[in-house]
Amino acid sequence: NAGVTQTPKFQVLKTGQSMTLQCAQDMNHEYMSWYRQDPGMGLRLIHYSVGAGITDQGEVPNGYNVSRSTTEDFPLRLLSAAPSQTSVYFCASSYSKTGGNTEAFFGQGTRLTVV
Amino acid sequence: AQTVTQSQPEMSVQEAETVTLSCTYDTSESNYYLFWYKQPPSRQMILVIRQEAYKQQNATENRFSVNFQKAAKSFSLKISDSQLGDTAMYFCAFMSAQGGSEKLVFGKGTKLTVNP
Repeated sequence: NAGVTQTPKFQVLKTGQSMTLQCAQDMNHEYMSWYRQDPGMGLRLIHYSVGAGITDQGEVPNGYNVSRSTTEDFPLRLLSAAPSQTSVYFCASSYSKTGGNTEAFFGQGTRLTVV
Repeated sequence: AQTVTQSQPEMSVQEAETVTLSCTYDTSESNYYLFWYKQPPSRQMILVIRQEAYKQQNATENRFSVNFQKAAKSFSLKISDSQLGDTAMYFCAFMSAQGGSEKLVFGKGTKLTVNP
């Protein structure tokens, strides 16, 4: 059971470089999201998607881009990396709510350092 | 907008003892979900316990239980018989029950250390 798979697990970027964090889920979940975790800040929502072709901004969207062409994949793009984007990134997926049995499944996280 | 507050940045407890982690939240909604997530040093986010706001009964999962006070907007986590493996960051989180909204709002976390 793969669940939510994030790649890479670690990445070092130079300021101005671009990269894509990959996220894939095999649970046929409709809802997928990206969070960043910073010390003392908890997890904050970057972008989310309620289904293929539909995305929206979360609390901290600046500097990030997303798309959702399939139900399974939800990549996060950094167009021009900045040191302020040094963080741990988590992808999560869950069903759309039916019957109140809601649970978000998380990937293992990507530790990104921008130098 | 909803907010979640965890007022204890760090806590410690002796093995086999009981510890309670605090969480308060602010919302104008009447129906929602509350969660406690555990994040061990491996970084994996693990769901510990979930509470539906419309249920008056407090959720329990083995050694983990919650004290859900809806009127006070309080959602504390009690860990009984603490084990070394409980050492982790613990995050309280809120999710609206409004249709199509599965966004989680997290508190800043409590770092729990279980001492032998």
